Amino acid sequence: QSVLTQPPSVSAAPGQKVTISCSGSSSNIGNHYVSWYQQLPGTAPELLIFDNDKRPSGIPDRFSGSKSGTSATLGITGLQTGDEADYYCGTWDISLSAWVFGGGTKLTVL
Amino acid sequence: EVQLVESGGGLVQPGGSLRLSCVASGFTFSNYDMHWVRQATGKGLEWVSGIGTPGDTYYPGSVKGRFTISRENAKNSLYLQMSSLRAEDTAVYYCAKRGSGPFIYMDVWGKGTTVTVSS
Repeated sequence: QSVLTQPPSVSAAPGQKVTISCSGSSSNIGNHYVSWYQQLPGTAPELLIFDNDKRPSGIPDRFSGSKSGTSATLGITGLQTGDEADYYCGTWDISLSAWVFGGGTKLTVL
Repeated sequence: EVQLVESGGGLVQPGGSLRLSCVASGFTFSNYDMHWVRQATGKGLEWVSGIGTPGDTYYPGSVKGRFTISRENAKNSLYLQMSSLRAEDTAVYYCAKRGSGPFIYMDVWGKGTTVTVSS
């Protein structure tokens, strides 16, 4: 069981929008910034969003992040088949003194 | 170009030991915290350890007492000494660099090295 809870899968058609939720608690999301990672099939994870809502250079603005209380959300607009990947949220847990990841969400672009 | 290259993975028997290495390039290694993250086949990401710039270390309960993270700044290298290995430690192990700023995130990842624990 992951400390952070994500839906196992989401799907949407090309061009549509999808959101992926990440639910935690006051000891993790409620007390630290959230980052999101994209893992394309067979590759290493890549940073997608940091500090809740910031995009690294090179990440298109189709990707967005937000946080409210003990939950965070990743949004992807204008879906493309190349967005099919696993997406993970992550943050620091002050009670565990440990980094924690969500269980991951598999995005399918139908 | 910022790059992390892991090595040292392989097949090891249960109860055995293995040392992973990660060589960094393209940034001032000594200025950044570093992490190890693993992923079993078909499973999610699991944080394994972290080390700060002064050498402070952090571990989750699943590996505490068995794994030791260390760094050698003169060689731009990060290490993970793993002992008392179990079948459930079988995974791809990634080295990751902490991003800049006051909050923790991992902005650069290596391609990973595979560890298989089996008799």
